[in-house]
Amino acid sequence: ETGVTQSPTHLIKTRGQQVTLRCSSQSGHNTVSWYQQALGQGPQFIFQYYREEENGRGNFPPRFSGLQFPNYSSELNVNALELDDSALYLCASSVDRFDEQFFGPGTRLTVL
Amino acid sequence: GQQLNQSPQSMFIQEGEDVSMNCTSSSIFNTWLWYKQDPGEGPVLLIALYKAGELTSNGRLTAQFGITRKDSFLNISASIPSDVGIYFCAGQTTSGTYKYIFGTGTRLKVLA
Repeated sequence: ETGVTQSPTHLIKTRGQQVTLRCSSQSGHNTVSWYQQALGQGPQFIFQYYREEENGRGNFPPRFSGLQFPNYSSELNVNALELDDSALYLCASSVDRFDEQFFGPGTRLTVL
Repeated sequence: GQQLNQSPQSMFIQEGEDVSMNCTSSSIFNTWLWYKQDPGEGPVLLIALYKAGELTSNGRLTAQFGITRKDSFLNISASIPSDVGIYFCAGQTTSGTYKYIFGTGTRLKVLA
């Protein structure tokens, strides 16, 4: 059974650009949650997707948006990148909305 | 963003010693999860707790869901060098979003 995968592993962008990060959920999981983890901190909840619909959002501006596809894979899009967006972006999948979450390896985003 | 209080923040221990860490909140949670994260990688789920008072073990790890539903504890017995890493607790909110809020992390260093 394949676990959660994310791509790319690393990304460097400049301020003002847009970025798309991708996540493939674990087989049998219909829920994907996205987190931002700044250096030295715990993951911060961005939003969750359940059966292709957004199912809750953390304290992040609208320039953070997402999608979930029929195969339950997901994308995180960030527009108008700012320096503070530099972080490890983690995707986690779960069997359902309220179940324990399993994380992917993350995408390290650097904004210059 | 919101984070749970985790203590201690960091600790050095000798190989073979037992380790205790805890996580507290002013809010009640439905579920507590404990993760371990190695540098540059995603968190790995160690233990999941679903009921107040529940005590669960996974090898040398034991965790408890506090009776007030506002705290949780993780114990590691007979620590070994590969226990080095950052340990995070995560509590699932009781509102409809089912989102997880993470702790600030406990950095564990084991001296051989």
